[in-house]
Amino acid sequence: GAVVSQHPSWVICKSGTSVKIECRSLDFQATTMFWYRQFPKQSLMLMATSNEGSKATYEQGVEKDKFLINHASLTLSTLTVTSAHPEDSSFYICSAMGTSGSDEQFFGPGTRLTVL
Amino acid sequence: AQRVTQPEKLLSVFKGAPVELKCNYSYSGSPELFWYVQYSRQRLQLLLRHISRESIKGFTADLNKGETSFHLKKPFAQEEDSAMYYCALRGGAQKLVFGQGTRLTINP
Repeated sequence: GAVVSQHPSWVICKSGTSVKIECRSLDFQATTMFWYRQFPKQSLMLMATSNEGSKATYEQGVEKDKFLINHASLTLSTLTVTSAHPEDSSFYICSAMGTSGSDEQFFGPGTRLTVL
Repeated sequence: AQRVTQPEKLLSVFKGAPVELKCNYSYSGSPELFWYVQYSRQRLQLLLRHISRESIKGFTADLNKGETSFHLKKPFAQEEDSAMYYCALRGGAQKLVFGQGTRLTINP
């Protein structure tokens, strides 16, 4: 089956630093990747849609200068949280949709970010 | 606007009992509805989608456009069904909108 990985699985950083999270499709090519954020005991909220080779489309209320998304290849998308603050602490999940014609999204295991 | 409502945050039933997880949606167009499941310490995975009309792990869900609902049902719950269940809607641009989720616990 289609597998999506995320790295790191958890990260702790100091306030003001930047953190990069990687999302990889391991056994398929992903034209589109999605980034979600999940607060404790809440649902997944879509942050942005990332298409390979083009700029990401951000959801309303998501700061594109704070959450930098790069989708440089068909197997890798990165989310960089710039100048992180404690309120950015959350669970970040990516999903990927392949090129095979199937429209199913395959989800990564998530990355827990804690900003001190 | 797209919205998905799962009214029950927690649902607990006994093994062998029927289970129904409720999902209502709001969308002006023709939606695609999905149920995703997240078992303990595992990633989110697709359980079923309304267009396939399949029964997966004994679960079924019927799209009721009149009631704008997509409830998930299983006639006889099993302990391994304990998990977090999310109802999701896809309107345009391949974007998924998720409900708040229902934590299902099957008691032995």
